[in-house]
Amino acid sequence: AQSVTQLGSHVSVSEGALVLLRCNYSSSVPPYLFWYVQYPNQGLQLLLKYTTGATLVKGINGFEAEFKKSETSFHLTKPSAHMSDAAEYFCAVSEQSTGNQFYFGTGTSLTVIP
Amino acid sequence: GAVVSQHPSRVICKSGTSVKIECRSLDFQATTMFWYRQFPKQSLMLMATSNEGSKATYEQGVEKDKFLINHASLTLSTLTVTSAHPEDSSFYICSALRPGAIYNEQFFGPGTRLTVL
Repeated sequence: AQSVTQLGSHVSVSEGALVLLRCNYSSSVPPYLFWYVQYPNQGLQLLLKYTTGATLVKGINGFEAEFKKSETSFHLTKPSAHMSDAAEYFCAVSEQSTGNQFYFGTGTSLTVIP
Repeated sequence: GAVVSQHPSRVICKSGTSVKIECRSLDFQATTMFWYRQFPKQSLMLMATSNEGSKATYEQGVEKDKFLINHASLTLSTLTVTSAHPEDSSFYICSALRPGAIYNEQFFGPGTRLTVL
Protein backbone atom coordinates (compact mmCIF):
# COMPACT_ATOMS: atom_id res chain seq x y z
CA ALA A 1 0.00 0.00 0.00
CA GLN A 2 0.99 3.57 -0.54
CA SER A 3 2.21 5.81 2.24
CA VAL A 4 2.42 9.55 2.16
CA THR A 5 4.69 11.54 4.43
CA GLN A 6 4.32 15.23 5.05
CA LEU A 7 7.32 16.53 6.93
CA GLY A 8 6.35 19.14 9.45
CA SER A 9 2.87 19.09 10.91
CA HIS A 10 3.13 22.82 11.51
CA VAL A 11 4.86 25.39 9.34
CA SER A 12 5.05 29.09 10.07
CA VAL A 13 6.15 31.69 7.57
CA SER A 14 6.11 35.45 7.49
CA GLU A 15 3.78 37.21 5.12
CA GLY A 16 5.58 37.60 1.80
CA ALA A 17 8.02 34.78 2.47
CA LEU A 18 8.42 31.57 0.53
CA VAL A 19 6.07 28.73 1.40
CA LEU A 20 7.47 25.21 1.16
CA LEU A 21 5.39 22.23 2.24
CA ARG A 22 6.99 18.85 1.82
CA CYS A 23 5.43 15.63 0.60
CA ASN A 24 7.07 12.29 -0.05
CA TYR A 25 5.38 9.12 -1.13
CA SER A 26 6.26 5.48 -1.39
CA SER A 27 5.46 3.80 -4.64
CA SER A 28 7.20 1.57 -7.09
CA VAL A 29 5.27 3.13 -9.94
CA PRO A 30 4.53 6.80 -10.57
CA PRO A 31 1.29 7.66 -8.84
CA TYR A 32 -1.16 10.46 -9.36
CA LEU A 33 -0.35 13.25 -6.92
CA PHE A 34 -2.55 15.93 -5.37
CA TRP A 35 -2.43 18.83 -2.99
CA TYR A 36 -5.57 19.94 -1.20
CA VAL A 37 -6.25 22.86 1.10
CA GLN A 38 -8.77 22.78 3.90
CA TYR A 39 -10.07 25.79 5.77
CA PRO A 40 -11.68 25.32 9.19
CA ASN A 41 -14.93 23.37 9.09
CA GLN A 42 -14.82 23.08 5.33
CA GLY A 43 -14.20 20.32 2.85
CA LEU A 44 -11.15 19.85 0.68
CA GLN A 45 -10.31 22.19 -2.16
CA LEU A 46 -8.02 20.93 -4.88
CA LEU A 47 -4.96 23.14 -5.28
CA LEU A 48 -3.24 21.19 -8.03
CA LYS A 49 -2.63 17.73 -9.33
CA TYR A 50 -0.08 15.77 -11.32
CA THR A 51 -1.20 12.94 -13.55
CA THR A 52 1.04 12.91 -16.61
CA GLY A 53 3.16 15.28 -18.63
CA ALA A 54 5.04 18.26 -17.28
CA THR A 55 6.44 17.60 -13.83
CA LEU A 56 6.08 21.21 -12.69
CA VAL A 57 2.42 21.78 -12.02
CA LYS A 58 0.82 25.15 -11.41
CA GLY A 59 -2.30 25.41 -9.35
CA ILE A 60 -4.65 27.97 -7.95
CA ASN A 61 -3.75 30.87 -5.67
CA GLY A 62 -0.17 30.99 -6.93
CA PHE A 63 0.82 27.54 -5.70
CA GLU A 64 2.89 25.09 -7.67
CA ALA A 65 4.45 21.71 -7.10
CA GLU A 66 7.10 19.64 -8.81
CA PHE A 67 6.98 15.90 -9.22
CA LYS A 68 10.46 14.47 -8.72
CA LYS A 69 10.42 10.78 -9.44
CA SER A 70 14.01 10.21 -8.29
CA GLU A 71 13.19 11.72 -4.92
CA THR A 72 9.61 10.39 -4.74
CA SER A 73 8.59 13.89 -3.78
CA PHE A 74 5.87 16.36 -4.65
CA HIS A 75 6.64 19.46 -2.61
CA LEU A 76 4.27 22.42 -2.66
CA THR A 77 5.61 25.94 -2.99
CA LYS A 78 4.42 29.50 -3.24
CA PRO A 79 6.86 32.39 -3.74
CA SER A 80 5.11 34.83 -1.43
CA ALA A 81 2.80 33.88 1.41
CA HIS A 82 -0.43 35.72 1.97
CA MET A 83 -2.46 35.85 5.15
CA SER A 84 -5.28 34.04 3.39
CA ASP A 85 -2.98 31.04 2.81
CA ALA A 86 -3.24 30.06 6.46
CA ALA A 87 -4.96 26.68 6.39
CA GLU A 88 -4.40 22.94 6.56
CA TYR A 89 -2.74 21.36 3.55
CA PHE A 90 -2.95 17.72 2.57
CA CYS A 91 -0.89 15.81 0.08
CA ALA A 92 -2.55 12.78 -1.46
CA VAL A 93 -1.61 10.08 -3.89
CA SER A 94 -3.59 7.57 -5.84
CA GLU A 95 -2.34 4.64 -7.84
CA GLN A 96 -2.35 4.71 -11.59
CA SER A 97 -3.58 1.15 -11.73
CA THR A 98 -6.93 2.07 -10.29
CA GLY A 99 -6.96 5.84 -10.00
CA ASN A 100 -9.43 5.38 -7.22
CA GLN A 101 -7.91 4.72 -3.84
CA PHE A 102 -6.63 7.90 -2.23
CA TYR A 103 -3.91 7.92 0.40
CA PHE A 104 -3.64 11.12 2.39
CA GLY A 105 -0.71 12.54 4.26
CA THR A 106 -1.19 13.63 7.84
CA GLY A 107 -1.48 17.24 6.87
CA THR A 108 0.52 20.41 7.45
CA SER A 109 -0.94 23.38 9.22
CA LEU A 110 0.36 26.60 7.69
CA THR A 111 0.48 29.74 9.80
CA VAL A 112 1.25 33.07 8.17
CA ILE A 113 2.73 35.68 10.46
CA PRO A 114 1.94 39.30 9.65
CA GLY B 1 -14.84 21.33 -11.66
CA ALA B 2 -17.56 18.93 -10.70
CA VAL B 3 -19.78 19.60 -7.69
CA VAL B 4 -20.47 17.29 -4.80
CA SER B 5 -22.88 18.33 -2.07
CA GLN B 6 -23.48 17.02 1.42
CA HIS B 7 -26.50 17.44 3.61
CA PRO B 8 -26.71 18.42 6.34
CA SER B 9 -23.62 20.53 6.86
CA ARG B 10 -24.01 20.34 10.62
CA VAL B 11 -26.05 18.07 12.84
CA ILE B 12 -26.37 17.79 16.60
CA CYS B 13 -28.13 14.78 18.01
CA LYS B 14 -28.68 12.98 21.25
CA SER B 15 -26.82 9.82 22.13
CA GLY B 16 -28.63 6.73 20.89
CA THR B 17 -30.28 8.32 17.89
CA SER B 18 -29.45 7.66 14.24
CA VAL B 19 -28.26 10.28 11.81
CA LYS B 20 -28.32 10.14 8.02
CA ILE B 21 -25.89 12.11 5.90
CA GLU B 22 -26.44 12.51 2.17
CA CYS B 23 -23.79 12.85 -0.50
CA ARG B 24 -24.82 13.92 -3.98
CA SER B 25 -22.89 14.37 -7.19
CA LEU B 26 -24.72 17.25 -8.84
CA ASP B 27 -23.40 17.27 -12.37
CA PHE B 28 -22.07 13.79 -13.07
CA GLN B 29 -22.91 10.19 -12.38
CA ALA B 30 -20.76 8.43 -9.85
CA THR B 31 -20.74 4.67 -9.63
CA THR B 32 -18.26 4.97 -6.79
CA MET B 33 -18.31 7.27 -3.80
CA PHE B 34 -16.12 7.31 -0.73
CA TRP B 35 -16.79 8.19 2.87
CA TYR B 36 -14.08 9.65 5.06
CA ARG B 37 -13.90 10.59 8.70
CA GLN B 38 -11.72 13.35 10.02
CA PHE B 39 -10.90 13.97 13.66
CA PRO B 40 -9.78 17.43 14.78
CA LYS B 41 -6.33 18.34 13.59
CA GLN B 42 -5.96 15.01 11.81
CA SER B 43 -6.02 13.71 8.30
CA LEU B 44 -8.86 12.04 6.48
CA MET B 45 -9.46 8.40 7.23
CA LEU B 46 -11.17 6.35 4.57
CA MET B 47 -14.14 4.57 6.11
CA ALA B 48 -15.70 2.83 3.15
CA THR B 49 -16.11 2.69 -0.58
CA SER B 50 -19.69 2.97 -1.74
CA ASN B 51 -20.60 1.25 -5.01
CA GLU B 52 -23.89 1.90 -6.76
CA GLY B 53 -26.13 -1.11 -6.68
CA SER B 54 -23.91 -3.22 -4.46
CA LYS B 55 -22.69 -3.45 -0.92
CA ALA B 56 -20.17 -0.99 0.38
CA THR B 57 -16.62 -2.06 1.07
CA TYR B 58 -15.51 -1.11 4.55
CA GLU B 59 -12.00 -0.43 5.69
CA GLN B 60 -10.53 -2.50 8.46
CA GLY B 61 -11.77 -1.44 11.85
CA VAL B 62 -14.91 0.32 10.61
CA GLU B 63 -18.11 -1.20 11.93
CA LYS B 64 -20.41 -1.81 9.00
CA ASP B 65 -23.44 -2.27 11.25
CA LYS B 66 -22.84 1.09 12.84
CA PHE B 67 -22.05 3.04 9.70
CA LEU B 68 -24.65 1.99 7.15
CA ILE B 69 -23.95 3.03 3.59
CA ASN B 70 -26.49 2.99 0.80
CA HIS B 71 -25.69 3.94 -2.78
CA ALA B 72 -29.10 3.65 -4.33
CA SER B 73 -28.53 5.79 -7.38
CA LEU B 74 -25.69 7.09 -9.52
CA THR B 75 -25.87 10.48 -7.84
CA LEU B 76 -26.64 9.69 -4.23
CA SER B 77 -24.91 7.86 -1.42
CA THR B 78 -26.02 8.00 2.19
CA LEU B 79 -24.18 7.32 5.41
CA THR B 80 -26.29 6.50 8.45
CA VAL B 81 -24.64 6.56 11.83
CA THR B 82 -26.78 4.24 13.89
CA SER B 83 -27.17 4.57 17.66
CA ALA B 84 -24.75 7.44 17.68
CA HIS B 85 -22.55 8.04 20.70
CA PRO B 86 -20.29 10.96 21.62
CA GLU B 87 -17.25 9.14 20.26
CA ASP B 88 -18.90 9.23 16.82
CA SER B 89 -18.67 13.01 16.84
CA SER B 90 -16.49 13.92 13.93
CA PHE B 91 -16.29 15.59 10.54
CA TYR B 92 -17.54 13.30 7.80
CA ILE B 93 -16.53 13.97 4.21
CA CYS B 94 -17.69 12.17 1.11
CA SER B 95 -16.20 12.14 -2.35
CA ALA B 96 -17.50 11.02 -5.70
CA LEU B 97 -15.47 9.42 -8.44
CA ARG B 98 -15.90 10.84 -11.91
CA PRO B 99 -14.71 8.54 -14.70
CA GLY B 100 -12.21 10.12 -17.05
CA ALA B 101 -10.26 9.26 -20.15
CA ILE B 102 -6.92 9.28 -18.34
CA TYR B 103 -7.86 8.71 -14.77
CA ASN B 104 -10.86 8.76 -12.48
CA GLU B 105 -10.94 11.95 -10.45
CA GLN B 106 -12.34 12.33 -6.97
CA PHE B 107 -14.41 15.35 -6.06
CA PHE B 108 -15.00 16.08 -2.41
CA GLY B 109 -18.08 17.29 -0.64
CA PRO B 110 -17.95 20.16 1.86
CA GLY B 111 -18.26 17.85 4.85
CA THR B 112 -20.77 17.27 7.64
CA ARG B 113 -19.99 18.13 11.24
CA LEU B 114 -21.66 15.60 13.55
CA THR B 115 -21.91 16.33 17.25
CA VAL B 116 -23.41 13.70 19.51
CA LEU B 117 -24.42 14.91 22.95
